[in-house]
Amino acid sequence: EDKVVQSPLSLVVHEGDTVTLNCSYEVTNFRSLLWYKQEKKAPTFLFMLTSSGIEKKSGRLSSILDKKELFSILNITATQTGDSAIYLCAVRNAGGTSYGKLTFGQGTILTVHP
Amino acid sequence: DGGITQSPKYLFRKEGQNVTLSCEQNLNHDAMYWYRQDPGQGLRLIYYSQIVNDFQKGDIAEGYSVSREKKESFPLTVTSAQKNPTAFYLCASTPPGTSGRGQFFGPGTRLTVL
Repeated sequence: EDKVVQSPLSLVVHEGDTVTLNCSYEVTNFRSLLWYKQEKKAPTFLFMLTSSGIEKKSGRLSSILDKKELFSILNITATQTGDSAIYLCAVRNAGGTSYGKLTFGQGTILTVHP
Repeated sequence: DGGITQSPKYLFRKEGQNVTLSCEQNLNHDAMYWYRQDPGQGLRLIYYSQIVNDFQKGDIAEGYSVSREKKESFPLTVTSAQKNPTAFYLCASTPPGTSGRGQFFGPGTRLTVL
């Protein structure tokens, strides 16, 4: 059974702090790892990672994947109150009838105080 | 505009009643998914469908049923057999082939059992 574990489960910081969110996984047939941000409703896509060691970057957010150690991190620098959200990590399966299926972690609830 | 719509946005149900949540997409996506999200937690897969007239159980299918008679539509029925149905339900879809964004999500339906 595919498994995704995120840590920490919740995090409270002040504006300007830098945070690192962790995601470890076990999947039988790995295709990609995805990060989503969820504020109130539908998750919105942040990054998709398929190769080890290549950093993806978008503004103050960046992410990297380690396929040998089976984990990914999401970094947010100079946090703002608008970064407060649940951050979800998911792994996409590439095999057989599970093709395309995403397995999600529990999420990390990030709260940024002014 | 293309997208995924879910209705209703909020739904209240008495214990013992079946309810059906609607999910429609005009993105021409083959695969569609239903997830359940409990407060402060990640997404858990209920059912998914890769093509019309075919669907598979996800990790928590008990007490739910689906149909996929049309490519655009993937309704979810929450039956009276589901013991704890109060949750946020998200529908998603993916295009054929490799997607650089993983899954596209609808706005969700919040179901409350009274």
